[in-house]
Amino acid sequence: DAGVTQSPTHLIKTRGQQVTLRCSPKSGHDTVSWYQQALGQEPQFIFQYYEEEERQRGNFPDRFSGHQFPNYSSELNVNALLLGDSALYLCASSLGQGRGGELFFGEGSRLTVL
Amino acid sequence: AQSVTQLGSHVSVSEGALVLLRCNYSSSVPPYLFWYVQYPNQGLQLLLKYTSAATLVKGINGFEAEFKKSETSFHLTKPSAHMSDAAEYFCAVSDRWYGNKLVFGAGTILRVKS
Repeated sequence: DAGVTQSPTHLIKTRGQQVTLRCSPKSGHDTVSWYQQALGQEPQFIFQYYEEEERQRGNFPDRFSGHQFPNYSSELNVNALLLGDSALYLCASSLGQGRGGELFFGEGSRLTVL
Repeated sequence: AQSVTQLGSHVSVSEGALVLLRCNYSSSVPPYLFWYVQYPNQGLQLLLKYTSAATLVKGINGFEAEFKKSETSFHLTKPSAHMSDAAEYFCAVSDRWYGNKLVFGAGTILRVKS
């Protein structure tokens, strides 16, 4: 049973570019959440997707957008990259929108913006 | 709004000694509480969770935590530290309606000395 898989694992971009990160949830899960973890910091909630719609959003600008596909996989897009966007981006999946359900995290995509 | 405070950004214990990592939370609604562990360059792994059942929660790898409403605490303990326990530990809170939106504490790095 595959867990949460994310791609790519590492990538380097320059300021102003755009990036797309991908996530496949654990088998049987239908909800995907994205978190940003800057170096030495705790993860910060970006947004959650359920039934192909953004259901909740954290305090992130509109440069951060996402998508969920019918097979429950998800993408995180970041436009006009800033140096401060350098971070580990974690995808987490669960069954349903929460209510105490366990979140399974992927290994993350480490983005470096130069 | 919810928040988590982890006392001590770094904790050092000897192998075989008691591990105690402190977590206090603030929540206007009954919370769900979690402890996650993160090894270097990896994602987050759930150690244990409190979702309103027993206040003493047992998790993986010999860890346990006790929910104390009167003290708004959810401290993590392990009777005997092992070298493999060295990692960063995050306490997190969510509410019962949006369980996927975790608010994390700043984390505690546990060092285990031989």
